[in-house]
Amino acid sequence: EVQVVESGGGLVQPGGSLRLSCAASGFTFSSSWMTWVRQAPGTGLEWVANIKEDGTEKYYMDSVKGRFTISRDNAKNSLYLQLNSLRAEDTAMYYCGRDRGFHIIDYWGQGTLVTVSS
Amino acid sequence: QSALTQPPSASGSPGQSVTISCTGTSSDIGTYNYVSWYQQHPGKAPKLLIYEVSKRPSGVPDRFSGSKSGNTASLTVSGLHAEDEADYYCGSFAVSKVFGTGTRVTVL
Repeated sequence: EVQVVESGGGLVQPGGSLRLSCAASGFTFSSSWMTWVRQAPGTGLEWVANIKEDGTEKYYMDSVKGRFTISRDNAKNSLYLQLNSLRAEDTAMYYCGRDRGFHIIDYWGQGTLVTVSS
Repeated sequence: QSALTQPPSASGSPGQSVTISCTGTSSDIGTYNYVSWYQQHPGKAPKLLIYEVSKRPSGVPDRFSGSKSGNTASLTVSGLHAEDEADYYCGSFAVSKVFGTGTRVTVL
């Protein structure tokens, strides 16, 4: 059975940092691109970043470049998202997913909520 | 990269059909046969419903179908069930991942 479980969200002040984690099982994590997608309250889905199987390629949406860093540990079947210099507009549910390419995200976690507020 | 355009809402009675459109450009939907659809129930994670325009992952009922014409893709739900009430998002392969604006489907 496939399981994708995010953690690490919480309340943080503007300018602060958080590290999100995503633990995956039930599929070959080390052979899978992985992605982060977020959803601000009451709004639609927004792709944030993705990373190649071996971590050698990483891509980000423009508004998070230089502030967020995606990484992975294939030995631990885990994906990470380091969020720095957080802004109020980063407030969202952050979902982790397996990215098969060509806009096919077939496994999703339940999400972890990040709230940026003073 | 602009978001793909969907109607904000759609509705139908149980047993009826509803079709949702997803309008892109010649740079995304118009060029690539890589259109996906995701279903999201309130408070839940998205779920892949359709990929590569019209393919269904294992376990997705065949009353969900996808198609494409020019720069517009469509999702049709035939024989609406109460549990189909959800938000639906399209996605298309392009330089960077873009999701549609989302459509809330209401079962009357």
